[in-house]
Amino acid sequence: EAGVTQSPTHLIKTRGQQATLRCSPISGHTSVYWYQQALGLGLQFLLWYDEGEERNRGNFPPRFSGRQFPNYSSELNVNALELEDSALYLCASSFGGENQPQHFGDGTRLSIL
Amino acid sequence: AQSVSQHNHHVILSEAASLELGCNYSYGGTVNLFWYVQYPGQHLQLLLKYFSGDPLVKGIKGFEAEFIKSKFSFNLRKPSVQWSDTAEYFCAVDYKAAGNKLTFGGGTRVLVKP
Repeated sequence: EAGVTQSPTHLIKTRGQQATLRCSPISGHTSVYWYQQALGLGLQFLLWYDEGEERNRGNFPPRFSGRQFPNYSSELNVNALELEDSALYLCASSFGGENQPQHFGDGTRLSIL
Repeated sequence: AQSVSQHNHHVILSEAASLELGCNYSYGGTVNLFWYVQYPGQHLQLLLKYFSGDPLVKGIKGFEAEFIKSKFSFNLRKPSVQWSDTAEYFCAVDYKAAGNKLTFGGGTRVLVKP
């Protein structure tokens, strides 16, 4: 069974640019989650999508946004990039509903120059 | 605010030693509890989970964890570690009222010396 796949592996941008990160969930999973792992800040919840809808959002500014496509894959968009956006962005997926464990991908390393 | 604390940032022990990693979380109603492990160069993997029922849960690779509701704790244990258990371990809490988002502890790096 293929796991959660994320692309690209690495992404280098400059301040003010926009970044798009992609995630394909495990087959059969309808929920996709995004987390940020920044140096010194640990893993922080960003967004949860289920059945194409945003279901929950962490404490991040509106320039962090995303969407989920009909095939359940997802994009995370970060606009007006700032230096502190440099981090590892992890995607996770799960079956829909309650009490479903989340399974993580390898992440996209976003570096802002 | 909801928070999760892992008491040790780094643990060093020898093979065959017993391992116990502490995890405490702040009160926030009903919770689901998880331990994840990240081996060097690999992604986060689910080690074990607690949703309800028996507070002693068994996971993969000989790990177990005990949920003590009165202490808001979910400590991870392994009776005898191997060199291959060298990894970073994360405790995570799903506060059910907060809607499917995991709140993670800061992680504990475990080094097992052969």
